[in-house]
Amino acid sequence: EDQVTQSPEALRLQEGESSSLNCSYTVSGLRGLFWYRQDPGKGPEFLFTLYSAGEEKEKERLKATLTKKESFLHITAPKPEDSATYLCAVQDNAGNNRKLIWGLGTSLAVNP
Amino acid sequence: EAQVTQNPRYLITVTGKKLTVTCSQNMNHEYMSWYRQDPGLGLRQIYYSMNVEVTDKGDVPEGYKVSRKEKRNFPLILESPSPNQTSLYFCASSRLGRTSGGGINTGELFFGEGSRLTVL
Repeated sequence: EDQVTQSPEALRLQEGESSSLNCSYTVSGLRGLFWYRQDPGKGPEFLFTLYSAGEEKEKERLKATLTKKESFLHITAPKPEDSATYLCAVQDNAGNNRKLIWGLGTSLAVNP
Repeated sequence: EAQVTQNPRYLITVTGKKLTVTCSQNMNHEYMSWYRQDPGLGLRQIYYSMNVEVTDKGDVPEGYKVSRKEKRNFPLILESPSPNQTSLYFCASSRLGRTSGGGINTGELFFGEGSRLTVL
């Protein structure tokens, strides 16, 4: 069964303290892995798509990487405005199923 | 501005009183979907649509209906709401893109702001 597990559930950092969020996945065949950011009371906002192991994407202080079993979202020198819940989702390439399987997210708080 | 618009944003209703949550997107996206988000359960797909007049069930379709008569609109209908449908609802849309491997990608979703529904 397809599954996505994110860790940790919650993370508190000091401003400037770099860290990584983890997304472990189990799918029969990976079509794509997606990272989203969700602010309280708002809809998720798309960040990155990764398609194959070894791929990396960067945006400002965020860098997403992918292996065959997991993805990491590295946050370098975070700022308070990076505080949000970060969601990971995968898309399986089996059959005609185009839905996303979502993790429960990592709630990140960055203190000034 | 590219956006997905949901209405209402907040609604309190009573059991059995039919309601519709509207969703409209201005990006000419083929794919649209409805999700509900509940604590500890995450985002779960209710229904999705690959194009006009093409809809299919997601993971939790019971108690919901949808229609896709126009490309831009994808309303969610609760014919007889029950308290277990109290939740935060999101509409999302995307284009149907092709991956480098030739598959169809629907993962780069644009989400609406959400509709918080309470059924008493």
